[in-house]
Amino acid sequence: EPEVTQTPSHQVTQMGQEVILRCVPISNHLYFYWYRQILGQKVEFLVSFYNNEISEKSEIFDDQFSVERPDGSNFTLKIRSTKLEDSAMYFCASSEPRVAPAGANVLTFGAGSRLTVL
Amino acid sequence: ELKVEQNPLFLSMQEGKNYTIYCNYSTTSDRLYWYRQDPGKSLESLFVLLSNGAVKQEGRLMASLDTKARLSTLHITAAVHDLSATYFCAVRSGEGDKIIFGKGTRLHILP
Repeated sequence: EPEVTQTPSHQVTQMGQEVILRCVPISNHLYFYWYRQILGQKVEFLVSFYNNEISEKSEIFDDQFSVERPDGSNFTLKIRSTKLEDSAMYFCASSEPRVAPAGANVLTFGAGSRLTVL
Repeated sequence: ELKVEQNPLFLSMQEGKNYTIYCNYSTTSDRLYWYRQDPGKSLESLFVLLSNGAVKQEGRLMASLDTKARLSTLHITAAVHDLSATYFCAVRSGEGDKIIFGKGTRLHILP
């Protein structure tokens, strides 16, 4: 069964450092997302990406965050200068084109990248 | 702004019992999802509900949607220990791509 893969599974970094989290979405999916979850709590929307541009973003997704689809397969989340409160599990997700089937747009999530900022 | 509320947030129940998790949302939406998350794991899609009155069932889980009341329910029938997990409902915000999750219901089923 197709799956969304994320790397690294765990990253430890110092406050102020840049971090890049990588995701390979399912190949025929067109919509891509990043969510984060702090300590098993609420799953928070960060950003959605479609047709090579951000379609929506949340208040959390400030200037320190950016996303990119550099090569047609990878989808990356960059945090420019990490803060302690960025420590969380970051989930990438992808979904099919909205029109199939019946516009269900079900998100398939990756296993997550745990980010620890010291 | 769309708000998604679940209750209860924590539920401990005996095997064999029935229970219902509720999900309310604050603005009109055309899609509601239920996901399951095991501890330390990713989110697994259970159901997507697209229309008023939609009902979907998979094993001991049944989800329904009332768009007029902005309410979805996830009903658990004759619970078994394997259903212990956190269950999230999620709702599409407007006509865009943002899908907002509730806080989750942590379900603990006692043998």
